[in-house]
Amino acid sequence: AQSVSQHNHHVILSEAASLELGCNYSYGGTVNLFWYVQYPGQHLQLLLKYFSGDPLVKGIKGFEAEFIKSKFSFNLRKPSVQWSDTAEYFCAVNAGNSGGYQKVTFGTGTKLQVIP
Amino acid sequence: DAGVTQSPTHLIKTRGQQVTLRCSPKSGHDTVSWYQQALGQGPQFIFQYYEEEERQRGNFPDRFSGHQFPNYSSELNVNALLLGDSALYLCASSQDRTLQNEQFFGPGTRLTVL
Repeated sequence: AQSVSQHNHHVILSEAASLELGCNYSYGGTVNLFWYVQYPGQHLQLLLKYFSGDPLVKGIKGFEAEFIKSKFSFNLRKPSVQWSDTAEYFCAVNAGNSGGYQKVTFGTGTKLQVIP
Repeated sequence: DAGVTQSPTHLIKTRGQQVTLRCSPKSGHDTVSWYQQALGQGPQFIFQYYEEEERQRGNFPDRFSGHQFPNYSSELNVNALLLGDSALYLCASSQDRTLQNEQFFGPGTRLTVL
């Protein structure tokens, strides 16, 4: 069964600092990878996804993530965070094909607090 | 477009009771998935419905069951409630039954079991 690990549970940064959130997954086959974000008082929404091709994917609001297959990692990055990036970030993996239907496994989330 | 809607917003039940949660998917979406999010945890996949059938299931007991209607809306039923069932229940819809693409999430139903 697939699993997802997010190593940072709570991150506090000052505005303009660089961000990197770690995500590792365990699954030996083909995967699709996602980062979802939940801003305070809002629904979970997609930040970016990796399906195939270029392992460096760009998402909304200046976020990007790099898929490193050999390390089973999909870390999220942003060069310069803003106060509005304060949110909870979830890494997720879609794997385990069963008759064409797959399940999505989420990590435990990382709470990011950006201090003005 | 109303997006994914869920009802009720909050619910309080006692142990042993049964509960039904409802979800209407985003317009144009035919696949609905349910997740349980306990406090401080990420969403855990319960099951996925497509064409009115359960297609995939996570590690949840048979007390958790569901239904999808011809209009793609869905219900999650939980029988014999336990204290540990207290959580935020999220519904997500997609137009991709393989879930390889984006899922759109609703606001959730907060279930408290006393």
